Amino acid sequence: GPKVLQIPSHQIIDMGQMVTLNCDPVSNHLYFYWYKQILGQQMEFLVNFYNGKVMEKSKLFKDQFSVERPDGSYFTLKIQPTALEDSAVYFCASSPGTGVYEQYFGPGTRLTVL
Amino acid sequence: GDSVTQTEGLVTLTEGLPVMLNCTYQTIYSNPFLFWYVQHLNESPRLLLKSFTDNKRTEHQGFHATLHKSSSSFHLQKSSAQLSDSALYYCALSDRGGSALGRLHFGAGTQLIVIP
Repeated sequence: GPKVLQIPSHQIIDMGQMVTLNCDPVSNHLYFYWYKQILGQQMEFLVNFYNGKVMEKSKLFKDQFSVERPDGSYFTLKIQPTALEDSAVYFCASSPGTGVYEQYFGPGTRLTVL
Repeated sequence: GDSVTQTEGLVTLTEGLPVMLNCTYQTIYSNPFLFWYVQHLNESPRLLLKSFTDNKRTEHQGFHATLHKSSSSFHLQKSSAQLSDSALYYCALSDRGGSALGRLHFGAGTQLIVIP
């Protein structure tokens, strides 16, 4: 079936550094999402993105977070600067946006901030 | 706000026994869309079932679930567990019906382990 890829699978960085998480969504999908899952907790919505714009973001989507998808390439989540509480698994998802939509998820990027 | 509750964190079953994973939800939306996602080890969460029709059974790959708005439930069932069913199961609610802008609210997940 359709696959969403995420690069890298693991990332370890020092607090205060910048990190960019990359998502390769399903071809021809129009809607993109990021979710955050802290160890032992539920997956929680961060942001959705359509037509080059953030449509909605949650309170977890701090000012240090940004998303973009330049020229139809990777859909990225950038955190600058990172904080200890940003340590989590970040899941990217994409959706065609038609019919009763389904979000297709990537395998996640495990981010560890030291 | 919208939320999903999965009461069992871990379910261990012997192969061949029936599976039932609980899911209840809270939402102000009158037409909730409910989903079950399954995540096998080192894989992506994958959609297993979805429903938005009250009291209608939906089935896929031997699993089934019925959305009951009266009890705000969407329990996942299977008549006979297989070893390959061992995985993490998430129940999720869309807070905007079938809109692609809907945010998914996930339960905590239920780890299902099927033993021989």
